[in-house]
Amino acid sequence: DTAVSQTPKYLVTQMGNDKSIKCEQNLGHDTMYWYKQDSKKFLKIMFSYNNKELIINETVPNRFSPKSPDKAHLNLHINSLELGDSAVYFCASSPASAGYKYEQYFGPGTRLTVT
Amino acid sequence: LAKTTQPISMDSYEGQEVNITCSHNNIATNDYITWYQQFPSQGPRFIIQGYKTKVTNEVASLFIPADRKSSTLSLPRVSLSDTAVYYCLVGGHNTNAGKSTFGDGTTLTVKP
Repeated sequence: DTAVSQTPKYLVTQMGNDKSIKCEQNLGHDTMYWYKQDSKKFLKIMFSYNNKELIINETVPNRFSPKSPDKAHLNLHINSLELGDSAVYFCASSPASAGYKYEQYFGPGTRLTVT
Repeated sequence: LAKTTQPISMDSYEGQEVNITCSHNNIATNDYITWYQQFPSQGPRFIIQGYKTKVTNEVASLFIPADRKSSTLSLPRVSLSDTAVYYCLVGGHNTNAGKSTFGDGTTLTVKP
């Protein structure tokens, strides 16, 4: 069984459109993340949710809106897509811990191409 | 957030030991150091994590000096399949759950 899954795997769309990427984890983790990886392979965190509550919102345009309907799902909705949004988007999850040690499990990624 | 610095790329040959160093001068007391491996068209995969001194698992070793301002991932006897991008990550799952910073990654190329 896939631990962290994302749909779709590929997404090609035109500028100005609105699109969503879905993420689900079956690991029972409390924390989920969205990362953006650009063409230079830089991996930047966008959002982090802990038990459906937004914890981290890095400098991301408000066209990006995460939604967490439950602890196992974290979806990413993008409005008014721009060329610069083209990238691979990774979802990840990690277990909550009373301490600080943790490990993130990543999904396979969604390659978004905006034309 | 602790910023990390890694070499952009490294080359090695099969059977050699590879050491990749990550600098994290501003590491916080509660931060752990984690290394991930990423193959093309896949998500990053956890390799090893440590807080101080040395950690070893079936895949790699992680060396962390006393001041914790750097860390070295050691891959013993690499093979062609170890060609990948390796990321150093410093942070922890604290009350601000998951604040962490990935390094820019080191592209390791293993040659026959």
